[in-house]
Amino acid sequence: NAGVTQTPKFRILKIGQSMTLQCTQDMNHNYMYWYRQDPGMGLKLIYYSVGAGITDKGEVPNGYNVSRSTTEDFPLRLELAAPSQTSVYFCASTKNTEAFFGQGTRLTVV
Amino acid sequence: DQQVKQNSPSLSVQEGRISILNCDYTNSMFDYFLWYKKYPAEGPTFLISISSIKDKNEDGRFTVFLNKSAKHLSLHIVPSQPGDSAVYFCAASGSTGNQFYFGTGTSLTVIP
Repeated sequence: NAGVTQTPKFRILKIGQSMTLQCTQDMNHNYMYWYRQDPGMGLKLIYYSVGAGITDKGEVPNGYNVSRSTTEDFPLRLELAAPSQTSVYFCASTKNTEAFFGQGTRLTVV
Repeated sequence: DQQVKQNSPSLSVQEGRISILNCDYTNSMFDYFLWYKKYPAEGPTFLISISSIKDKNEDGRFTVFLNKSAKHLSLHIVPSQPGDSAVYFCAASGSTGNQFYFGTGTSLTVIP
């Protein structure tokens, strides 16, 4: 049972570079989410999607973009990486209000 | 503005004793509450939940209590075991379940 899979697990970016964090789920969940967790902080919602073709901003969307072309995939795009985006990123999908999380991507922007 | 708050960043408990983790929320529209457990280098995993129509939900050693008038919930772990050592996040959502709001987490250490 793969569940929610995130890649990569770790990444170091230079300021101004771009990258895409990949997220795939095999549970046929409609709802998917991207969170970031900063040290000593809770998880902050970046973007979410209620189904293929539909995305919405969460609490901290600035500097990020998402797309949802299929039910399974929900990639998160950073266009111009900034040090403030250094964080651990978690992708999740939900069924019946229970969220299933990926293992996280630790991103450092230097 | 943090809508879900966990005011204790850490808690240490002796093995076999009770662990009580607390969580407060500000939004009266929340009607579903969850606790997640997180080990280092892993994503959070679901532990237990409670709907706003209940005031208690029990699952083995884990019990969640909800006090809607005080906008407060707590997680009780009895008896605590060393394997329970982890960071515990409280989360809340509204009836649509579109957005989950997480607390900042409490790091529980169970001492053998």
